[in-house]
Amino acid sequence: SAVISQKPSRDICQRGTSLTIQCQVDSQVTMMFWYRQQPGQSLTLIATANQGSEATYESGFVIDKFPISRPNLTFSTLTVSNMSPEDSSIYLCSVERPGGEINTGELFFGEGSRLTVL
Amino acid sequence: GQNIDQPTEMTATEGAIVQINCTYQTSGFNGLFWYQQHAGEAPTFLSYNVLDGLEEKGRFSSFLSRSKGYSYLLLKELQMKDSASYLCAVRDSNYQLIWGAGTKLIIKP
Repeated sequence: SAVISQKPSRDICQRGTSLTIQCQVDSQVTMMFWYRQQPGQSLTLIATANQGSEATYESGFVIDKFPISRPNLTFSTLTVSNMSPEDSSIYLCSVERPGGEINTGELFFGEGSRLTVL
Repeated sequence: GQNIDQPTEMTATEGAIVQINCTYQTSGFNGLFWYQQHAGEAPTFLSYNVLDGLEEKGRFSSFLSRSKGYSYLLLKELQMKDSASYLCAVRDSNYQLIWGAGTKLIIKP
């Protein structure tokens, strides 16, 4: 299994500000995934972060709004920029089972960062 | 478009059995997953089905019918700690995970 530390666990932010969420994994992983989960909704993939290359963003998400860093194989950050109340959500970092085949699908998640934008 | 349907909420009694259904329409299929998510916590992996049939793991079982685009999660001998949301997810032909909105399961004494 993988242990994922994510912070902050929650924050209250002002409209127009930016917040960076950090994700630390206890083992080296190729891909790290950033998800958003709004109340009563599906998990929505924001982007996939690979070490040494730019993140791959899903439809509806852009780098200017959600810049991502991946400086090494155990760490990533997601920034939510110029926040508005619509960005209030839980943001989750996840990785696939380390050492497993890429198509097992078993994901480990961080505890999530609950952001409230006023 | 791609779609996964599961009931929004279900209620069951402690000690009983409950079946949570999931139907899907996706571009291809490379496995179906069930995750459990307690309120305020991260999702945790429960089961994986890629072939038709039943996979049993203790009190939890998961069934898949690819021809019907259908799966269910069966929980036996329900305990209060089973109160959680249960998320169904399908990996499509591009190996992208498509997530259902989750089923909130309420267990009553």
